[in-house]
Amino acid sequence: GAVVSQHPSWVICKSGTSVKIECRSLDFQATTMFWYRQFPKQSLMLMATSNEGSKATYEQGVEKDKFLINHASLTLSTLTVTSAHPEDSSFYICSAPGLAGFSYNEQFFGPGTRLTVL
Amino acid sequence: KQEVTQIPAALSVPEGENLVLNCSFTDSAIYNLQWFRQDPGKGLTSLLLIQSSQREQTSGRLNASLDKSSGRSTLYIAASQPGDSATYLCAVDLASGTYKYIFGTGTRLKVLA
Repeated sequence: GAVVSQHPSWVICKSGTSVKIECRSLDFQATTMFWYRQFPKQSLMLMATSNEGSKATYEQGVEKDKFLINHASLTLSTLTVTSAHPEDSSFYICSAPGLAGFSYNEQFFGPGTRLTVL
Repeated sequence: KQEVTQIPAALSVPEGENLVLNCSFTDSAIYNLQWFRQDPGKGLTSLLLIQSSQREQTSGRLNASLDKSSGRSTLYIAASQPGDSATYLCAVDLASGTYKYIFGTGTRLKVLA
């Protein structure tokens, strides 16, 4: 099946700094990618849709100026958490829909990035 | 607004038991439904994908069924093993095929040796 990678797998930063997380589709192109957030013992919540060549669309309640998304190419989307605070500490997971050649309409998820803000 | 609920929230069983995990959704107009497992601190592993036109999918000891009209899906795990211990999540894709997944609340499964 298709593979989605994320980098870094974990990051610890000081409050007020910015952190960039990368999401790559390794063996397929993804014009659309999705970013999810998961707090401890909770399920995944969709944050935003990353669109190659255009602006990202954000779900209700997600601050677009705080979570900057850039879909630089057909295989790379980045999420930057700006001026991070402890409440931003979470598990961030990206996904991309598979092409028909791999598996029709299936979502492929990255391994996640654990962000801890001190 | 679509809401996805999973019952039970947690389950602990002895090895070898057959299990049924339940997933219900409030809006039956879904595009597909996917079951995942998540190990502690890890990402998601896709288990089964059921298209809206399908009623079930099978993979090894896993069988997932879908009843769109009643807004329910079940994941059946046969002959459970300690390695099956994980959190199981179901997710539905909105009818428009937006690929925007709404995740369920999860079932934490522990299979005792």
